[in-house]
Amino acid sequence: DTGVSQDPRHKITKRGQNVTFRCDPISEHNRLYWYRQTLGQGPEFLTYFQNEAQLEKSRLLSDRFSAERPKGSFSTLEIQRTEQGDSAMYLCASSVAEMNTEAFFGQGTRLTVV
Amino acid sequence: AQSVAQPEDQVNVAEGNPLTVKCTYSVSGNPYLFWYVQYPNRGLQFLLKYITGDNLVKGSYGFEAEFNKSQTSFHLKKPSALVSDSALYFCAVRPQSYGNNRLAFGKGNQVVVIP
Repeated sequence: DTGVSQDPRHKITKRGQNVTFRCDPISEHNRLYWYRQTLGQGPEFLTYFQNEAQLEKSRLLSDRFSAERPKGSFSTLEIQRTEQGDSAMYLCASSVAEMNTEAFFGQGTRLTVV
Repeated sequence: AQSVAQPEDQVNVAEGNPLTVKCTYSVSGNPYLFWYVQYPNRGLQFLLKYITGDNLVKGSYGFEAEFNKSQTSFHLKKPSALVSDSALYFCAVRPQSYGNNRLAFGKGNQVVVIP
């Protein structure tokens, strides 16, 4: 399967713990995006990389959130000191660099904070 | 900032009947418009997009969408719905301007196709 891969698919954590998610984009895609989706809502933009550079960050991305893409390939999203409000589906997507292209999404990581 | 409205929470349609899922958008300048579909426990799958040119766009699985600039709409249509089309459908918009790469999604429409 050469699509966008996310790991883990599900994560249950206790409030206050740190969690890290991984995303492997489609290999020839140099753009990578993170979105968050809560129940009954559409995905909300969190951040975007072109190669290893993080070019955009949403105000939704509080200081407890950090994302990296160190070699321009896979990316990680870390949430420190998790809160119950962080419970959501975290979606990763990738695309080529042209402006008019669609993004391809992974299956997401569902985070539950208890 | 760009935004999308999908006014109906759920669309019910009988199998074989035409399916329409409504979307209106707000964006500065010209838009790129997209439709995605989400099945349970799956990621979003791309259906079709409008970039420029012909207002009627054809996509995967027999879906099409019509761009209407004056009404700022991009409604998704399928002439004959299948039970397997039952899913969550999202409309998304991004401006045709360099440097803005964030897609704004609507809240989604649950489509239920009744056998």
